Amino acid sequence: DAGVTQSPTHLIKTRGQQVTLRCSPKSGHDTVSWYQQALGQGPQFIFQYYEEEERQRGNFPDRFSGHQFPNYSSELNVNALLLGDSALYLCASSLTGVSDTQYFGPGTRLTVL
Amino acid sequence: AQKVTQAQTEISVVEKEDVTLDCVYETRDTTYYLFWYKQPPSGELVFLIRRNSFDEQNEISGRYSWNFQKSTSSFNFTITASQVVDSAVYFCALSEYGGSQGNLIFGKGTKLSVKP
Repeated sequence: DAGVTQSPTHLIKTRGQQVTLRCSPKSGHDTVSWYQQALGQGPQFIFQYYEEEERQRGNFPDRFSGHQFPNYSSELNVNALLLGDSALYLCASSLTGVSDTQYFGPGTRLTVL
Repeated sequence: AQKVTQAQTEISVVEKEDVTLDCVYETRDTTYYLFWYKQPPSGELVFLIRRNSFDEQNEISGRYSWNFQKSTSSFNFTITASQVVDSAVYFCALSEYGGSQGNLIFGKGTKLSVKP
């Protein structure tokens, strides 16, 4: 049973560039959530996707956007990168209405220079 | 507003010692859910336990045990006879929904180092 997978593992970008991160949910899950974890901090909720729509959003600017595909996989896009966007980006999947637990992937480490 | 506080930033113990990680939460909701996750150096958050606000029974799973007390808004985690493999950052989290339909609010984590 495949768990949550994310790609790429690491990414280096420069200020002002755009980046796309990808997530495939655990088999059977239909909901994907994205979190940003700065060094030494707990993860912070960015947004959650269900049925290809953004269901809930945290306190992040519009530079952060996402998408969910019919196969439940998801992308996180960040435009106009800032140095402060450097973090570990975690994807979590769950099954709405059945499983109330979010299972996390290994994350993508983004470094903005 | 919801908030999770893990006052212990770092804890260091010697193998076989017992250790308790503290978690205090704030919420105005009567229905909520509490979680513990483990984050080893690899970075992936590993789910340990989920507890809803109506279930105050303590739980034991092998060397792990959890003490949930609504009266003090605490959900503490104890590792008995710690092992080197327990070394990781541990996060307590709160959700006003079941977890699948809402966001998780995390504490800042407690870094546990278990020395041989």
